[in-house]
Amino acid sequence: NAGVTQTPKFRVLKTGQSMTLLCAQDMNHEYMYWYRQDPGMGLRLIHYSVGEGTTAKGEVPDGYNVSRLKKQNFLLGLESAAPSQTSVYFCASSPTLETQYFGPGTRLLVL
Amino acid sequence: GESVGLHLPTLSVQEGDNSIINCAYSNSASDYFIWYKQESGKGPQFIIDIRSNMDKRQGQRVTVLLNKTVKHLSLQIAATQPGDSAVYFCAENHYGGSQGNLIFGKGTKLSVKP
Repeated sequence: NAGVTQTPKFRVLKTGQSMTLLCAQDMNHEYMYWYRQDPGMGLRLIHYSVGEGTTAKGEVPDGYNVSRLKKQNFLLGLESAAPSQTSVYFCASSPTLETQYFGPGTRLLVL
Repeated sequence: GESVGLHLPTLSVQEGDNSIINCAYSNSASDYFIWYKQESGKGPQFIIDIRSNMDKRQGQRVTVLLNKTVKHLSLQIAATQPGDSAVYFCAENHYGGSQGNLIFGKGTKLSVKP
């Protein structure tokens, strides 16, 4: 049981490039989330999903898109990366509206 | 808007002492609270949670206290160990709000001196 895994662990992008971050969970959780964490700040919710085929916007959704085609996967896309998107991205999953279980994070640097 | 915050950004304690990390919340309608531990370079790890119908909950070496009157949450760590050094986040959830949307505080960094 791997829990929540994230791919890649680290990535460097140039401004304007696109990329997709993959989150996978093997706990059969309904809910999945994408957060970003910046220095001195708490976790901010980007997008979330309450089930396969559904997505919703969080606190800071601009510049990001998501998809949940399979229950176990939640993808976060950056269509045109900007330096302001340099951050650490965490994925989480939850069986209910309560405790969320986090992945190890993806460190993204946009030059 | 309403948010969760922390009284102290840093806390330094001696190994073996008890630690108390505080958190203030502003949404009186919040139903559920969680404490997470985040070690350097890792994702947040669940420590303990408490519902709004409880005042206290104990785990292994940790206790969470909830004071709804003053909207205050605290995490007590008994016999603090070097492995407890991390950033601790509190988070709240309001079931009547966005589904599953935990609101996180900015965190308190706990340093344990040997």
